[in-house]
Amino acid sequence: GIQVEQSPPDLILQEGANSTLRCNFSDSVNNLQWFHQNPWGQLINLFYIPSGTKQNGRLSATTVATERYSLLYISSSQTTDSGVYFCAVEGDRDDKIIFGKGTRLHILP
Amino acid sequence: DAGITQSPRYKITETGRQVTLMCHQTWSHSYMFWYRQDLGHGLRLIYYSAAADITDKGEVPDGYVVSRSKTENFPLTLESATRSQTSVYFCASSERYGTGSYSNQPQHFGDGTRLSIL
Repeated sequence: GIQVEQSPPDLILQEGANSTLRCNFSDSVNNLQWFHQNPWGQLINLFYIPSGTKQNGRLSATTVATERYSLLYISSSQTTDSGVYFCAVEGDRDDKIIFGKGTRLHILP
Repeated sequence: DAGITQSPRYKITETGRQVTLMCHQTWSHSYMFWYRQDLGHGLRLIYYSAAADITDKGEVPDGYVVSRSKTENFPLTLESATRSQTSVYFCASSERYGTGSYSNQPQHFGDGTRLSIL
């Protein structure tokens, strides 16, 4: 099945810094989503982005499907951005969603 | 309130017992999903359902049973719980989820059920 790898696994930044999280996948995909899991365990959908670029406030995402990766950009980080960021893909050979293991982000005040 | 709710939020039970986790959504979404989240594994799909009375296996279905008699409910049952099933379980729903489609239909997650099996 499709493999999803996220990097870095852990990231510690000072408040106000920018960050880039990466998601690589091993096969062509029908869709790709980015999620944020906050420190209370809630999973929030950030982007549904099988290709192209989207922006939502300080967050933006770009997926280059032909090169099998997606990037999540966080600008001017805030402590509320802390948590784990997951990438999830649906391969086009079957209809199951596979999650990466996540990037744990810790923003220091 | 509109949304997706899971119950119970926390459950402790013993090995060999049957336990059912409930998931209810008010959006009338077609698709519903069950995941488990474990350290070192991220989220893994257990079962999903495309509509009432249609279910299919995910990545880790062994030891679990699902049913979907109504669109809004998708219970997950552990028929004989084992310690390896200790985990946090998440239910999710989406309006449409199709292969070969770039439909803009994200998944929405419940708050999770933390299950401990002693």
